[in-house]
Amino acid sequence: AQSVAQPEDQVNVAEGNPLTVKCTYSVSGNPYLFWYVQYPNRGLQFLLKYITGDNLVKGSYGFEAEFNKSQTSFHLKKPSALVSDSALYFCAVRFNTNAGKSTFGDGTTLTVKP
Amino acid sequence: GAGVSQSPRYKVAKRGQDVALRCDPISGHVSLFWYQQALGQGPEFLTYFQNEAQLDKSGLPSDRFFAERPEGSVSTLKIQRTQQEDSAVYLCASSLGATPYEQYFGPGTRLTVT
Repeated sequence: AQSVAQPEDQVNVAEGNPLTVKCTYSVSGNPYLFWYVQYPNRGLQFLLKYITGDNLVKGSYGFEAEFNKSQTSFHLKKPSALVSDSALYFCAVRFNTNAGKSTFGDGTTLTVKP
Repeated sequence: GAGVSQSPRYKVAKRGQDVALRCDPISGHVSLFWYQQALGQGPEFLTYFQNEAQLDKSGLPSDRFFAERPEGSVSTLKIQRTQQEDSAVYLCASSLGATPYEQYFGPGTRLTVT
């Protein structure tokens, strides 16, 4: 069965510092990996995805993520955090053997302090 | 353009009542997904449609849960004889297709069963 782990419930960083939000997944076929963000009182919004090709993918709002097959990880990163990046972040995995089903992690709350 | 909309946004039901939750996907989106999100957790997959065909309903927790998308556009999630454990936020998402497309989420319906 496919699964996703976000090992940190909470990440705190100072504005201007780099941030990392971690995600690992279970191995079963070729994964498609996604990051979504949820701002208060708003629906989940797509940030970026890895399908194939370059392991470093870039997405919205300056975020990027690196797919590491050997470590089965897909950590979300940003070189310089903004206060407005404070939100709840979800990692999701889908496998090409089960096209419709996405499995989400439990989310990581990112707080960026001025 | 218009995003995914869901109605009602909030629903309070007495235990044993039936409820119907509606999802209007983005126009032209072939795939539609339903998720259940409990407090403090990530979305849990319920079911998936490709046009009007329900291709995966493996996540529906019991036969009290039923989803349909008769014309390949609007979808309804019905819960019969609601129980307290059904209390959650129900999210609908749509996408251009299944893999590898990202999903666009609605704001959710918060169901409280008393």
